[in-house]
Amino acid sequence: RKEVEQDPGPFNVPEGATVAFNCTYSNSASQSFFWYRQDCRKEPKLLMSVYSSGNEDGRFTAQLNRASQYISLLIRDSKLSDSATYLCVVINMVGGGADGLTFGKGTHLIIQP
Amino acid sequence: DAGITQSPRHKVTETGTPVTLRCHQTENHRYMYWYRQDPGHGLRLIHYSYGVKDTDKGEVSDGYSVSRSKTEDFLLTLESATSSQTSVYFCAIRKEASGSYNEQFFGPGTRLTVL
Repeated sequence: RKEVEQDPGPFNVPEGATVAFNCTYSNSASQSFFWYRQDCRKEPKLLMSVYSSGNEDGRFTAQLNRASQYISLLIRDSKLSDSATYLCVVINMVGGGADGLTFGKGTHLIIQP
Repeated sequence: DAGITQSPRHKVTETGTPVTLRCHQTENHRYMYWYRQDPGHGLRLIHYSYGVKDTDKGEVSDGYSVSRSKTEDFLLTLESATSSQTSVYFCAIRKEASGSYNEQFFGPGTRLTVL
């Protein structure tokens, strides 16, 4: 089983709709979780850290389910500018600084006018 | 903006030549990372550094070396470039702060083509 799995999509969603992505992770000791957004030919940019209690930032809501080992991202009232690839990211703290991020391969979202 | 620059931004080189990529940060972060991104693989960690002269290997370190002689610069060297090292290379820093979740922030990337 891959460490971090995402549905690659693409998700084609009309503007204004709500869209949700899930991401599963295999290491139950994973400690930190994030959603990054990556535009074509650009660097990944941090969208949200995912807190144990869940968190919301404007139109974006992230949830963590440790029992089932998945995180989710919900985008409400989607905008054309939300079109991007969304990367699920997990940190497994091994100690000694060996905390490189483990990335999912990303979910491609296309918002259609 | 985490104050990270990478140079060069684009490079085309030939198989067998040495290549050095530079990552420069202006905010004095202790941790720095090099990743590569390839279609079908996502981003993968090559090497990382946890201080001046302190470095360690990541998931895909074969064929790469790194050096960090000062806090602000982290260099990635391909001793003898191969076509399999054609990729986009991203540098990242980790922000350590009270309450931080160890978020990492990325530079703009270097697009390397090995012919």
